[in-house]
Amino acid sequence: QVQLQQWGAGLLKPSETLSLTCAVSGGSFSGYYWSWIRQSPGKGLEWIGEVKPGGTTRSNPSVESRVTISADTSKDQVSLSLTSVTAADTAVYYCARWSWAGPGDVWGKGTTVTVSS
Amino acid sequence: QAVLTQASSLSASPGASASLTCTLRSDISVGTYMIYWYQQKPGSPPQFLLRYKSDFDKKQGSGVPSRFSGSKDATANAAILLISGLQSEDEADYYCMVWHDTAWVFGGGTKLTVL
Repeated sequence: QVQLQQWGAGLLKPSETLSLTCAVSGGSFSGYYWSWIRQSPGKGLEWIGEVKPGGTTRSNPSVESRVTISADTSKDQVSLSLTSVTAADTAVYYCARWSWAGPGDVWGKGTTVTVSS
Repeated sequence: QAVLTQASSLSASPGASASLTCTLRSDISVGTYMIYWYQQKPGSPPQFLLRYKSDFDKKQGSGVPSRFSGSKDATANAAILLISGLQSEDEADYYCMVWHDTAWVFGGGTKLTVL
């Protein structure tokens, strides 16, 4: 079945850039949207943005000016870049398969990112 | 005012039914939205449960038991996740989600305790 493996730096200083990667295996990559979602400690879920390999990207207005989401079809990977991080960006970051039929039917295990000086 | 509002917590007994409510902001109508529901257990990512717009436009997530179902209360401008025959394993956080304007928006989540 489809599996998502995530990785990236877990500890950042304020003003640095968050970079995460999500590798897709076991299923179609180009046929779906892929989203990044985050969850702050003890808080709810926030959709960050999505990418369709070879196509469009969309992002949440709350982070739009700082976020870049891209897809590499040669590696079946999706990447997230978030610039100028602050403590408010401390969260568990998830990648997930996204579609109108069932958004978030497959999720990565999550990557904990802490922003601290 | 938040787009989606959920009660922070709910308790119910094993074997009973639980209705989790997701209320839409007053200026938007629940009838026009597809509502998505997720279950999240501690230390795990959310899991897609189902989507519901109407009795004619709904879909259960893969492997999700039929005792999880969706509905709407137009009078309350709310979506409802009904869990029947509660089991201890249903104890979790539940989130609703919609596509609104230009973003996917989650409710704040309801912590369901089964005791």
